[in-house]
Amino acid sequence: GESVGLHLPTLSVQEGDNSIINCAYSNSASDYFIWYKQESGKGPQFIIDIRSNMDKRQGQRVTVLLNKTVKHLSLQIAATQPGDSAVYFCAEKGGGSEKLVFGKGTKLTVNP
Amino acid sequence: AAGVIQSPRHLIKEKRETATLKCYPIPRHDTVYWYQQGPGQDPQFLISFYEKMQSDKGSIPDRFSAQQFSDYHSELNMSSLELGDSALYFCASSFRYQETQYFGPGTRLLVL
Repeated sequence: GESVGLHLPTLSVQEGDNSIINCAYSNSASDYFIWYKQESGKGPQFIIDIRSNMDKRQGQRVTVLLNKTVKHLSLQIAATQPGDSAVYFCAEKGGGSEKLVFGKGTKLTVNP
Repeated sequence: AAGVIQSPRHLIKEKRETATLKCYPIPRHDTVYWYQQGPGQDPQFLISFYEKMQSDKGSIPDRFSAQQFSDYHSELNMSSLELGDSALYFCASSFRYQETQYFGPGTRLLVL
């Protein structure tokens, strides 16, 4: 079936480095994509989103890139901090459905 | 800013018992979504409501039912609980014409 997946289950970076988390999606009907950060025992926290009519969107220290040609989504975190350590999920929505379809999550660890 | 409120935060039940989870959306949000997240898993969509009407349905067992009330809060009713129902249950809310779903802190259900 349709799915959203992540290439790397874990990512370890040094404090101050830039982090890139990748996500592949397979539903060509998806028109909305979103990144969430989830800390242990907490709910997913909205980071940034992007619609399919865009290929790049920037927030505070974060950038999302969307490549519809290869169905790829990435989250870039600049100057990664220890507080960024968490599991990051991408999710997509589209085809008239209300639901978010989540990828498997990438655990980001930031080493001081 | 006000966030999604869920209650209870933790719940322990025996097999075959029933459970009711409550969700209070962000003020002025009119759409509520329920997701289930197993240990180490990504959130899976269960069901959503808009203006008290079911708007979409995912992989929700027949033993579960949900509704949205006139004040927009929602309740997820779970009957004949099974061990496999042990999970984190998240509620998310959004304003109908905005894509972003904001998640609550979750209810951790343990079925013994």
